[in-house]
Amino acid sequence: DAMVIQNPRYQVTQFGKPVTLSCSQTLNHNVMYWYQQKSSQAPKLLFHYYDKDFNNEADTPDNFQSRRPNTSFCFLDIRSPGLGDAAMYLCATSRDHVDQPQHFGDGTRLSIL
Amino acid sequence: GESVGLHLPTLSVQEGDNSIINCAYSNSASDYFIWYKQESGKGPQFIIDIRSNMDKRQGQRVTVLLNKTVKHLSLQIAATQPGDSAVYFCALGAAGNKLTFGGGTRVLVKP
Repeated sequence: DAMVIQNPRYQVTQFGKPVTLSCSQTLNHNVMYWYQQKSSQAPKLLFHYYDKDFNNEADTPDNFQSRRPNTSFCFLDIRSPGLGDAAMYLCATSRDHVDQPQHFGDGTRLSIL
Repeated sequence: GESVGLHLPTLSVQEGDNSIINCAYSNSASDYFIWYKQESGKGPQFIIDIRSNMDKRQGQRVTVLLNKTVKHLSLQIAATQPGDSAVYFCALGAAGNKLTFGGGTRVLVKP
């Protein structure tokens, strides 16, 4: 049974057209993370929420935003996608920051036309 | 800064043999270590973790070894099966920090 669900699995958008990716979790975990993963590379953390507290990584472009309206859902908004933003976007959750495994969804593959 | 690296980007192994995947790290403050398996088109899947107060931990067909002296982590897969073909990532964390992922090793299982 999927515990971290990402929709859609594949998303195609046009250059510069805003796009939103969604993630939901049934684990009731405090922390939700968004990662970007490009081909043959490790996941790169964009930001995370600890409960309602948003934590942005220093090198995450301003083009990327996130919302967490409640414990179960988290959204990734890309305001003006560029060709370099084509990637797999992974959502993960963990109960807490410290010494806890992160549980990943199967990702949304984003293509930019 | 911290770095996490893997010694072998691709590992080819005969079905039934044991696999060993290695990971070196530089941050001596790291106290939590995880191995993930990622199959094509899927998200990383948790395999096993180990904390710094241990040097060995076993799961089903997998063993993780931690050598804090030389800052080295390894994942051993016993009797490798075709379903073990995937990319394997080590990840590590320090207290209060997020996980840092290594660069990944692709394991190819030959029939």
